[in-house]
Amino acid sequence: DAGITQSPRHKVTETGTPVTLRCHQTENHRYMYWYRQDPGHGLRLIHYSYGVKDTDKGEVSDGYSVSRSKTEDFLLTLESATSSQTSVYFCAISEPTGGNTEAFFGQGTRLTVV
Amino acid sequence: GENVEQHPSTLSVQEGDSAVIKCTYSDSASNYFPWYKQELGKRPQLIIDIRSNVGEKKDQRIAVTLNKTAKHFSLHITETQPEDSAVYFCAASYKLSFGAGTTVTVRA
Repeated sequence: DAGITQSPRHKVTETGTPVTLRCHQTENHRYMYWYRQDPGHGLRLIHYSYGVKDTDKGEVSDGYSVSRSKTEDFLLTLESATSSQTSVYFCAISEPTGGNTEAFFGQGTRLTVV
Repeated sequence: GENVEQHPSTLSVQEGDSAVIKCTYSDSASNYFPWYKQELGKRPQLIIDIRSNVGEKKDQRIAVTLNKTAKHFSLHITETQPEDSAVYFCAASYKLSFGAGTTVTVRA
């Protein structure tokens, strides 16, 4: 498996509290992504990064912010968690140059907002 | 941005039959189309991908076809087996915009 780790793996938090999820990679891949997965909605892109300090919004970015201060870490922050943000969050990495453009996913983080 | 639509949302097939999943995309500049398989409780994993300069690609029992003019691409699974039961996702572009997924169930 590619070197990609998400932390924490599980988290329960209260409405209104800030939450930060971390994605760490050891592959030196340029692209990193955050998705949320909900029944009936598949994988929806929240934010992605194409380099250090280079990020862009995905289709469901409202209520989320990201930061990438170094190649290996991509942080997803919920400034004030809401129950609608209860979901499974996946991080992914890819290096779309050269011959291999495969994206590798982390194990996922199950977040419950109560 | 890219919009990817995937059909059907669920698909039940008899073991040994074929399964076909179709996706359409909106951005004509997209040039990379991967397919991912997600087994229950696991992370998605790439099973096959195709680039816009190729019309068809095959890997054993799975194949993908691409029609750039119509902006649609399809996944074909032949001789389905129980281990093919999973959720399949298509995606477009390096930005990896995914379709909503297809739950495939192979009946023994």
